[in-house]
Amino acid sequence: DTAVSQTPKYLVTQMGNDKSIKCEQNLGHDTMYWYKQDSKKFLKIMFSYNNKELIINETVPNRFSPKSPDKAHLNLHINSLELGDSAVYFCASSQDPNGSGRRTDTQYFGPGTRLTVL
Amino acid sequence: DQQVKQNSPSLSVQEGRISILNCDYTNSMFDYFLWYKKYPAEGPTFLISISSIKDKNEDGRFTVFLNKSAKHLSLHIVPSQPGDSAVYFCAASEGGAQKLVFGQGTRLTINP
Repeated sequence: DTAVSQTPKYLVTQMGNDKSIKCEQNLGHDTMYWYKQDSKKFLKIMFSYNNKELIINETVPNRFSPKSPDKAHLNLHINSLELGDSAVYFCASSQDPNGSGRRTDTQYFGPGTRLTVL
Repeated sequence: DQQVKQNSPSLSVQEGRISILNCDYTNSMFDYFLWYKKYPAEGPTFLISISSIKDKNEDGRFTVFLNKSAKHLSLHIVPSQPGDSAVYFCAASEGGAQKLVFGQGTRLTINP
């Protein structure tokens, strides 16, 4: 019974293509995230959505567009893929424990999607 | 400009001994710190955390120490077990923000 799931697990595609990665969480959390782990192994946040509203948007090319159809899903769509987009992308979710807005909550990660752009 | 750094890419420890993983940060506004553990082909899983109002937090075999003046934290695992072999990531956040800043990870190998 996977808490945070991502599809596909592996994605190999050509430069210039458009692709999507899907993320779903069944934890009832109100916030979801996308992270990118680059070749140097750093995990860097890309986006965060709280109740379908974008709250964190790091310096990411506008070819990347997150889409949150509901609280349990946050999909990542990437247009015009480039070689440098090759990385592992992780989805995560968390829940503000007391609704205070001050968060020290744990983020739960999906298994990752390895994207290879040829 | 990497605000969280784990300067040891790998560490090898004998089973039963203590493993010490280190992490340094540069942003003095960070007030919450976490350690995540990652197995191959899986996502990171939360291990232990510490708030900046504390200097130590313990959970079973895992203890995290925070030295704010040195902007340094460490994770101690004792005794180390083979199942502890994984990549360990240090992360930090500022002001209760949801944005976690991660280090680049340390690969821990426990030898029998």
